[in-house]
Amino acid sequence: DAGITQSPRHKVTETGTPVTLRCHQTENHRYMYWYRQDPGHGLRLIHYSYGVKDTDKGEVSDGYSVSRSKTEDFLLTLESATSSQTSVYFCAAQGFGSDTEAFFGQGTRLTVV
Amino acid sequence: QQQVKQSPQSLIVQKGGISIINCAYENTAFDYFPWYQQFPGKGPALLIAIRPDVSEKKEGRFTISFNKSAKQFSLHIMDSQPGDSATYFCAANYGGSQGNLIFGKGTKLSVKP
Repeated sequence: DAGITQSPRHKVTETGTPVTLRCHQTENHRYMYWYRQDPGHGLRLIHYSYGVKDTDKGEVSDGYSVSRSKTEDFLLTLESATSSQTSVYFCAAQGFGSDTEAFFGQGTRLTVV
Repeated sequence: QQQVKQSPQSLIVQKGGISIINCAYENTAFDYFPWYQQFPGKGPALLIAIRPDVSEKKEGRFTISFNKSAKQFSLHIMDSQPGDSATYFCAANYGGSQGNLIFGKGTKLSVKP
């Protein structure tokens, strides 16, 4: 996993509650990404960061926000969780340059009931 | 809008056969095309990658073929083995100052003994 740690690994939460997922990297990678993985949809980009405090929206950003106050940490917040946000969430980190490898965490399985 | 289209969604191959997965993209700003392999319960991991100025890249049993004019690329797995059974994702990346890494929907490969 090249130093990418996601927490928590599993979480069950109730509809309407805020949830924060954490991604921590130890390799000082510039870019960080949050994806969600759902059957039939593959990996869909939620938000990404290209530096501290520099973030941008991905394909499925509605209902999600992110923050990156330090190089090593990238937080994903579900502002008010809905059942449609039940998914497996993956964080990735990548060095500068499009031809560098992106390293993924082990994923967080989130269930919204 | 799906920027990277991948097919087939699933693939069953006999041991020793050739597995072929195809991808197409639209955005000519993409300048790097990696393939990722994912085993159940794990995060994706880089398998092989190619730049658009190269038409083919081979690493062991894995080969990427790239057709820049058609905006298509494919993964060939020669002599497929049961251990190759996994989900494969093609991706496209463009770097610069912001970076962006977009994935196809994935292909679930099953190699039968």
